[in-house]
Amino acid sequence: AQSVTQPDIHITVSEGASLELRCNYSYGATPYLFWYVQSPGQGLQLLLKYFSGDTLVQGIKGFEAEFKRSQSSFNLRKPSVHWSDAAEYFCAVVRGNTPLVFGKGTRLSVIA
Amino acid sequence: DTAVSQTPKYLVTQMGNDKSIKCEQNLGHDTMYWYKQDSKKFLKIMFSYNNKELIINETVPNRFSPKSPDKAHLNLHINSLELGDSAVYFCASSQAVVVGYTFGSGTRLTVV
Repeated sequence: AQSVTQPDIHITVSEGASLELRCNYSYGATPYLFWYVQSPGQGLQLLLKYFSGDTLVQGIKGFEAEFKRSQSSFNLRKPSVHWSDAAEYFCAVVRGNTPLVFGKGTRLSVIA
Repeated sequence: DTAVSQTPKYLVTQMGNDKSIKCEQNLGHDTMYWYKQDSKKFLKIMFSYNNKELIINETVPNRFSPKSPDKAHLNLHINSLELGDSAVYFCASSQAVVVGYTFGSGTRLTVV
């Protein structure tokens, strides 16, 4: 069965530090890949997406993600975290006509 | 203009009651979805409609009945509410996978 794994339930980083959130997927072929962010009490906002082409994709709010086929990974990165980045981050995949399938999320806390 | 709007934002009700959540999108998308987010933040697809027709029903109890009067609206009616129905329900829409999904801000349902 198709699945998305976010190994880290909760990550805490200092403001200004770099960030990497991990995402692995298990599919027969490369699916479409997404990262969403959910701020407290809010809906989900699309940060970035990957379908094909350049494996390093840029998103909003200074985020980027790198697709690595050999590792079935699509990790999210940000060089310098701001306090406003504290939120829940979801990796998601879709393949063919199936609906968007989400990982269990990673909660990001930012400390001063 | 809100792209995907859900009403109400909060809903508190007693066990056994029947309630509805409304969703409207003004993006012209053909496909709409309902997702349920549980207390651990896990997001799971419930239903998917394409141009008013049900295309996905993911083992949801038949107490849940989606209705799509037109392709811009997808409402969720829940009969005989149970404690376990307490969750945040998200509506979403999409035109094509490559664009991604646009989510509403969610409806927090609390059954007491």
